[in-house]
Amino acid sequence: GENVEQHPSTLSVQEGDSAVIKCTYSDSASNYFPWYKQELGKGPQLIIDIRSNVGEKKDQRIAVTLNKTAKHFSLHITETQPEDSAVYFCAASLGFGNEKLTFGTGTRLTIIP
Amino acid sequence: DSGVTQTPKHLITATGQRVTLRCSPRSGDLSVYWYQQSLDQGLQFLIQYYNGEERAKGNILERFSAQQFPDLHSELNLSSLELGDSALYFCASSSRGGQGPDTQYFGPGTRLTVL
Repeated sequence: GENVEQHPSTLSVQEGDSAVIKCTYSDSASNYFPWYKQELGKGPQLIIDIRSNVGEKKDQRIAVTLNKTAKHFSLHITETQPEDSAVYFCAASLGFGNEKLTFGTGTRLTIIP
Repeated sequence: DSGVTQTPKHLITATGQRVTLRCSPRSGDLSVYWYQQSLDQGLQFLIQYYNGEERAKGNILERFSAQQFPDLHSELNLSSLELGDSALYFCASSSRGGQGPDTQYFGPGTRLTVL
């Protein structure tokens, strides 16, 4: 089955700097890659997603890039703010009848004021 | 607020007992997914229902079962509980299920503690 690896497990950045989290996946048939943010005591919240026919997607300070050849995708957060502190999860799914998400192990992002 | 509701928020029970977790999907969503989040296993897919029918199964234990009712709410039943079943259980919903990559929206979760 699909296996998703995520790095780093913890990341601390100064407020205003950029943060990058990277994931690799094993199944080349995967075609949907969402990113979730989880705050303490809450459920995962979708922040951005990308489908396999797109190489990059941006939403304000958040961007995701996908390299299907290398089977990796990355989350980029620019101009980080204290409220960006949370645990971030990447995930992958095959879609089209197999919608289950396989998650990475999470990255705890801390923004230092 | 994702629009997915889960009850109860917290559940404390003893080993050997049985519990039922409830999920109401977002209005109009036909698919419901259950995930387990634990410190050692991370976020793991358990099972998916689409419009009342089981669609996919993950690493769900035989002691666990689920169903989706005609009003589309879903229940996850956990029986013969063991200490290792202590975890956060999340429900997610999506609109289509099986017709293409579909955004899943997660509920706030139920924290299960087995003593």
